[in-house]
Amino acid sequence: EPEVTQTPSHQVTQMGQEVILRCVPISNHLYFYWYRQILGQKVEFLVSFYNNEISEKSEIFDDQFSVERPDGSNFTLKIRSTKLEDSAMYFCASRRAYSSGNTIYFGEGSWLTVV
Amino acid sequence: SQELEQSPQSLIVQEGKNLTINCTSSKTLYGLYWYKQKYGEGLIFLMMLQKGGEEKSHEKITAKLDEKKQQSSLHITASQPSHAGIYLCGADSLNAGNMLTFGGGTRLMVKP
Repeated sequence: EPEVTQTPSHQVTQMGQEVILRCVPISNHLYFYWYRQILGQKVEFLVSFYNNEISEKSEIFDDQFSVERPDGSNFTLKIRSTKLEDSAMYFCASRRAYSSGNTIYFGEGSWLTVV
Repeated sequence: SQELEQSPQSLIVQEGKNLTINCTSSKTLYGLYWYKQKYGEGLIFLMMLQKGGEEKSHEKITAKLDEKKQQSSLHITASQPSHAGIYLCGADSLNAGNMLTFGGGTRLMVKP
């Protein structure tokens, strides 16, 4: 069964460093997402991406964050200058099309620990 | 914005017992998704409901969406330790981002 894959599974970084989290969405999917989950809290939406541009972003997704689809398969989340509060599990997700009926599939997540 | 409330927040049941988890929306649901998450892992898709009154089952898990499309329930029959985890409901938004908004999750523990 096709799946969303994410790398790295876990990353420890120093405060102020840049981090890039990578995702390979399911191949025929058109909508891509990043979510995050701080330990013990809700899964929160960060950003959605369609047709090579951001279609929506949350308040969390400030200027420190950016997304890119550098080629036909990868979808990346960059955090420019990490803060302690960026420590969380980051999930990539994708869906084939938008209509209520097209499931969003999630990757296994990337644990980010900022020290 | 759409808010989803899940209840209970946590649940401990004896193996073999039935249980129900509820998800209530502040607005009409156009697509309601149930996922399961094991601690520190990804979200596994369980079921998706769209129509009022719809009910779907997979193995021992049944999900229903009420007629008014504002509440969904997830029922597990004869629970097993493998059912333990966090159950999340998510709702489709109708805005440009087409993302899901999630409830706070229900943490289920099944005692052998």
